[in-house]
Amino acid sequence: GNSVTQMEGPVTLSEEAFLTINCTYTATGYPSLFWYVQYPGEGLQLLLKATKADDKGSNKGFEATYRKETTSFHLEKGSVQVSDSAVYFCALSDTGNQFYFGTGTSLTVIP
Amino acid sequence: KAGVTQTPRYLIKTRGQQVTLSCSPISGHRSVSWYQQTPGQGLQFLFEYFSETQRNKGNFPGRFSGRQFSNSRSEMNVSTLELGDSALYLCASSLSQGGSYEQYFGPGTRLTVT
Repeated sequence: GNSVTQMEGPVTLSEEAFLTINCTYTATGYPSLFWYVQYPGEGLQLLLKATKADDKGSNKGFEATYRKETTSFHLEKGSVQVSDSAVYFCALSDTGNQFYFGTGTSLTVIP
Repeated sequence: KAGVTQTPRYLIKTRGQQVTLSCSPISGHRSVSWYQQTPGQGLQFLFEYFSETQRNKGNFPGRFSGRQFSNSRSEMNVSTLELGDSALYLCASSLSQGGSYEQYFGPGTRLTVT
């Protein structure tokens, strides 16, 4: 079946540090991959997506590349800010439009 | 374009009662999905509706049910509430079925069962 595994948190970084949050997936077929972000007290917001192998999604300085050979979709940002503190969710969507979410990784950025 | 709206935002119910939550998707979106989010279990898929038909269903007991109206608005109902039903319930809409369509989430309804 389909599933998403992402690195355990919480992650604490200093401002301007490099961020990597690992995400691997198991899927039949060719899923689309997503990163969502959730700020305290809010719903999830789409951060970026990739719909086929080797696609790179990017937004607000965040990037992730769809790697079919390693079944991965790691999230990266070169220089984090305090405002990036949130919970990040990796997700996949199969052709039936059902989404599968990882458990979420909490990120805290300290000044 | 207005985003996904959910009502009410907060709800306190007593064990054994039932509750109905409402979700209005983004205009033009025909697919609505519901999720339960708890600190221990993370984000769990409840069900998905498309054009008034339930297309996908997660692994939840029959106490959890939903429906979708012709204007794509959706409701979910939980009967015979249990303490463990306390959670943030999120609704998400998307343009259509198909894996490349991202879901847009509402702010959620925070349900507390006492």
